[in-house]
Amino acid sequence: KNEVEQSPQNLTAQEGEFITINCSYSVGISALHWLQQHPGGGIVSLFMLSSGKKKHGRLIATINIQEKHSSLHITASHPRDSAVYICAVGKLSGGGADGLTFGKGTHLIIQP
Amino acid sequence: DADVTQTPRNRITKTGKRIMLECSQTKGHDRMYWYRQDPGLGLRLIYYSFDVKDINKGEISDGYSVSRQAQAKFSLSLESAIPNQTALYFCATSDSGQGISNQPQHFGDGTRLSIL
Repeated sequence: KNEVEQSPQNLTAQEGEFITINCSYSVGISALHWLQQHPGGGIVSLFMLSSGKKKHGRLIATINIQEKHSSLHITASHPRDSAVYICAVGKLSGGGADGLTFGKGTHLIIQP
Repeated sequence: DADVTQTPRNRITKTGKRIMLECSQTKGHDRMYWYRQDPGLGLRLIYYSFDVKDINKGEISDGYSVSRQAQAKFSLSLESAIPNQTALYFCATSDSGQGISNQPQHFGDGTRLSIL
């Protein structure tokens, strides 16, 4: 079983819809990261969080440490939000020396 | 100019060849990483370095080696390339902090490597 699971794997929605992508993990973590990968391949860090909630523009990330679950929300979605969204965790084991462990990503398509 | 630069961006080569992928950064970060991405598998850590004298194996280091020539440069080598090393390779950097996982990582644009 993967240590980081994302759902859904694929999501197609209409412009303007509210989008939720989920991430569950099974290990102790020091931080959780949300990343965005565009079709050209480049990866951008969106959020890093260890508790609570963060907001940047139309993007909101939440984390529930007790439930080992995080969500990424996109409000008023737009075609330019189409990308692969990747959840990654920094594990507590090894004093944080294990690097990031990644989910397989959620492929999001926003149709006009 | 990009903060994290990978060269080459694309490479096609034959089985058995020695390949070097290069990464340079202008962010002044101590920590550098090499990941590979395969369809359906997500990214996996190959090697990471906390400074010039500190190199560590990641989850999938077999068949790879690295060199940290300077704070700004971290190279990944495939000593004798094989077809299952065909993948998208990413270099990343992060600033020092309490454990490497507690800082955002900054990624290069990736190198698409095909081994025939």
